[in-house]
This record gives sequence, C-alpha cells and structure tokens, in this order.
Amino acid sequence: AQSVTQLDSHVSVSEGTPVLLRCNYSSSYSPSLFWYVQHPNKGLQLLLKYTSAATLVKGINGFEAEFKKSETSFHLTKPSAHMSDAAEYFCVVSDHNNDMRFGAGTRLTVKP
Amino acid sequence: EAGVAQSPRYKIIEKRQSVAFWCNPISGHATLYWYQQILGQGPKLLIQFQNNGVVDDSQLPKDRFSAERLKGVDSTLKIQPAKLEDSAVYLCASSFLLAGATNTGELFFGEGSRLTVL
Repeated sequence: AQSVTQLDSHVSVSEGTPVLLRCNYSSSYSPSLFWYVQHPNKGLQLLLKYTSAATLVKGINGFEAEFKKSETSFHLTKPSAHMSDAAEYFCVVSDHNNDMRFGAGTRLTVKP
Repeated sequence: EAGVAQSPRYKIIEKRQSVAFWCNPISGHATLYWYQQILGQGPKLLIQFQNNGVVDDSQLPKDRFSAERLKGVDSTLKIQPAKLEDSAVYLCASSFLLAGATNTGELFFGEGSRLTVL
C-alpha cells in the first residue's frame, strides 16, 4: 500500500521568511499527491494537488509543491510566510483505487 | 452547494457503550470516506465506499467498528463496544467521480464528530 512520510513534525519560521515542509512518498503506482491544511477547529482544506501533469504545482495562498519522482518527494514551499499560515499541514498520496492516505502532519508556527 | 454534513458534532460515552455517527456527502459524490483522527496525528483511513460498495476497509477494526452506505448516499459508522483508545475525531469526506470512474482527487471534508470515551 502507498504511504507518505512527513519529515518534520514541527516547523517554525519568522513572518516574511520562506516555508519548506517536506514530504516523501511510497507508491507502487504512479501516484496522485496532495497537500491539505487544517486550521485549529476547522475542517481540512485542499491546498494543491499533483495528478501527473506539470511537476511544479501551484496552490492557494501562494503555496506550491514540486513532484520529484527520482527523489520520491513532494515538498511544499512558500516564499514568504504570513501569520495566517500557522496551521497543521498534511501530505496525502492516492493510488489507482482513489485510496487516500495521510501523513502524520507538520505543524507550522509563524513567529512575528 | 451544501457541504458534507456530519452528526453529532460531539459525543461523550463510557467504555463498552455503543455510538453511531452519520454522514451525508455532497450530492452527486460517488466516493465516501471515513477517517479517524486521534489528537496530534494525521487522519487514518477506516473505510472507503464507492457508491454502495466497499473499496477498502483494511484498516477498519471489524471486531468493533462497522459502516454502511446502503443506498449509496449517506453513511453510518458504528462503534460497539467502544474503548478508551477510540477517543478521536471521526471525519467523513466525499469525492466526485468523473466519467470513466476517475477520482478528481479532491476530498471535501465534514466538520467531524468528536468522540470522547470515558
């Protein structure tokens, strides 16, 4: 079965500095990959998705991610963090059966 | 467009009691998922339905958990008997299938049902 590993459980950045949240995946098939965000006491929201089109994917709120097959990675980046970006971020992999598996999550803290 | 509806939002029970959660997906969404999210962890897939059929229930503890989606629309997840470790948020999500049964990949989540087992 496919799986994802989020390499950092917690990332802390200062407002205005770049954000990097790391994700590695494992899949026997050509996977679809996603990043979801969960703000405190709110539902999960899709940030962006990769489904075998362009390897650099742009999402909402200035986030983007690059699919690198050779490294089995799908890291999430943003050039400049904003206070409102503080949340929990989940990397998700989906196989040919649309079986969506979540990583353990990375908590992003943004310092003023 | 109405979102994914879940009820109840909160439930407190004692261990060995039973509980049921209900989910109504977005109209027209063929795929429905139940996830368990324990505090501080990522959502864990319990069961995936496509219409009224089960696609994947490999991580569902079948000795105590059951789920059904009889008419291919709304779904019920039941826990009987509950254990302390079942305390979690139970998330329902749905997804739209394109012609040819290709999932768009985007899950739409409900607000979740928070279960506390004492």
